[in-house]
Amino acid sequence: EPEVTQTPSHQVTQMGQEVILRCVPISNHLYFYWYRQILGQKVEFLVSFYNNEISEKSEIFDDQFSVERPDGSNFTLKIRSTKLEDSAMYFCASSDILGHNFYEQYFGPGTRLTVT
Amino acid sequence: RKEVEQDPGPFNVPEGATVAFNCTYSNSASQSFFWYRQDCRKEPKLLMSVYSSGNEDGRFTAQLNRASQYISLLIRDSKLSDSATYLCVVNKGNTPLVFGKGTRLSVIA
Repeated sequence: EPEVTQTPSHQVTQMGQEVILRCVPISNHLYFYWYRQILGQKVEFLVSFYNNEISEKSEIFDDQFSVERPDGSNFTLKIRSTKLEDSAMYFCASSDILGHNFYEQYFGPGTRLTVT
Repeated sequence: RKEVEQDPGPFNVPEGATVAFNCTYSNSASQSFFWYRQDCRKEPKLLMSVYSSGNEDGRFTAQLNRASQYISLLIRDSKLSDSATYLCVVNKGNTPLVFGKGTRLSVIA
């Protein structure tokens, strides 16, 4: 069964450093997303990406964040200068169009980011 | 008012029991509804999409009441492996998913 993959599974970084989180969405999917989940809190949307551009972003996704699809398979999230409050699980998701306008999103296993 | 509200639980039930979770959503323009399950420190996994007519998948039944903006999930014959957090999720078309905080279920032997 096709699945979303993410690397690394755990990233530890110092405050102020840049990190790049990587995702390989399901191969025939067209829509890609990043979400995050701070420990003990709900899953929150960061950004969506379609047709090689950002389609929507949340207030969390400020100038420190960027996304890229550098080739036909990878989808990356970059945090330029990490802050302590960026510590969270970061989930990549992808979806495709189904009938009756449903877009079921499938999540990768996540990258646990720890900023010290 | 929170966009998606759920009773956080925990619901502690014996094996074989039937348990029901409820969820309300505030955005009347929501079009798509889902239940995801999340195990501790793992990713959300799609359990089922919720259709207007309600739908069933084995021991799981989901219902939608658009007038009351209410979604439910019923689990029959609970198994130990059903222990997890159940996330109520809504969106509109291909917009970002809006998650509830989840309801924690523990099935006890």
